Amino acid sequence: DAGVTQSPTHLIKTRGQQVTLRCSPKSGHDTVSWYQQALGQGPQFIFQYYEEEERQRGNFPDRFSGHQFPNYSSELNVNALLLGDSALYLCASSLNWPLVDTQYFGPGTRLTVL
Amino acid sequence: DAKTTQPPSMDCAEGRAANLPCNHSTISGNEYVYWYRQIHSQGPQYIIHGLKNNETNEMASLIITEDRKSSTLILPHATLRDTAVYYCIVRVARGSSNTGKLIFGQGTTLQVKP
Repeated sequence: DAGVTQSPTHLIKTRGQQVTLRCSPKSGHDTVSWYQQALGQGPQFIFQYYEEEERQRGNFPDRFSGHQFPNYSSELNVNALLLGDSALYLCASSLNWPLVDTQYFGPGTRLTVL
Repeated sequence: DAKTTQPPSMDCAEGRAANLPCNHSTISGNEYVYWYRQIHSQGPQYIIHGLKNNETNEMASLIITEDRKSSTLILPHATLRDTAVYYCIVRVARGSSNTGKLIFGQGTTLQVKP
């Protein structure tokens, strides 16, 4: 049973560029959440998708956007990258929003902005 | 969501039980206690959760006080591979539109020593 997968593993971008990160949820899960983890900090919630709609959002600017596909996979897009966007981006999947059960995390994508 | 307080760091001898405390004095009746751990640069790993009864699974035991204001995660026989940051999270129960996000604090860094 495949767990949550994310791609790419690592990514290097320069300021002002745009980036797309991808996530495939755990088999059977239909809800995807995204988190940002800066070095030395705990993960911070960005947003959550269910049925291809954003259902809840954390305190992140509009530069952060997402998408969920009919197969439940998801993308996180970040525009106009800043140095402060350098972080580990984590995807978590769960089942049955809003009866949201335990979230299971992927290995993350390490984004470095130069 | 209620906030949690954890000691920043703890040591444990290999083979001994590791007892990780968490204070959540403002917890509401419909909020669960969740525990995750994060091994360096990996995604958080779900460990266990509970509402008011003590819980046990193959990884750990969770002891919640009767007033639910604190809990303890117990790793019965710690190994070097249990060295990680452990996060205690309080989260609203299923059925609430606010169940999407997990709010991570700084967690407890557990160092298991030979």
